[in-house]
Amino acid sequence: AQSVSQHNHHVILSEAASLELGCNYSYGGTVNLFWYVQYPGQHLQLLLKYFSGDPLVKGIKGFEAEFIKSKFSFNLRKPSVQWSDTAEYFCAGGSSASKIIFGSGTRLSIRP
Amino acid sequence: NAGVTQTPKFRVLKTGQSMTLLCAQDMNHEYMYWYRQDPGMGLRLIHYSVGEGTTAKGEVPDGYNVSRLKKQNFLLGLESAAPSQTSVYFCASSYGGQIYEQYFGPGTRLTVT
Repeated sequence: AQSVSQHNHHVILSEAASLELGCNYSYGGTVNLFWYVQYPGQHLQLLLKYFSGDPLVKGIKGFEAEFIKSKFSFNLRKPSVQWSDTAEYFCAGGSSASKIIFGSGTRLSIRP
Repeated sequence: NAGVTQTPKFRVLKTGQSMTLLCAQDMNHEYMYWYRQDPGMGLRLIHYSVGEGTTAKGEVPDGYNVSRLKKQNFLLGLESAAPSQTSVYFCASSYGGQIYEQYFGPGTRLTVT
């Protein structure tokens, strides 16, 4: 069965700390992977996406993610977090537009 | 462009009542989706549509019906609301084809008492 797993449910960091959120996928066929962010009280917004090509993908607000095919992973990274990065982060993936699966989400809390 | 809009933003229903949630998009997207978001469970797909006049079941379709009579609108109906349907509902749309990124609406918070 297709699945997208996020193992970190809640991450707490201090400002300026580095961030890495894990995401693993399990499905065959074409790999399309996304990270979305949901700021408190707001709707989901796309941070970055990977379809093919360079496995290191850069997104908005200084975020990047690396697709590692051998590990079935697509981890999200940011070298130095800010208080404004407090949000919930969702990894998603699928082999077609009608088969996108979302992970359970990781809540990120930043201590000022 | 307004993007994806949803009405209403909040609603409280009693068990057994019915209601319809409206989603509208002005981006000429082919695909539209309805998700529910529950704590610790991420987003789960209820129903989706790959074009005007088409609908298909997602992961958790029971208790919901949908219609896509116009390309820009996607309606989600609850015929007989249950407390288990208390959730935040998000609508999304995408171009479809090889372009999968989804654009989300602001959500509808539904409470069923």
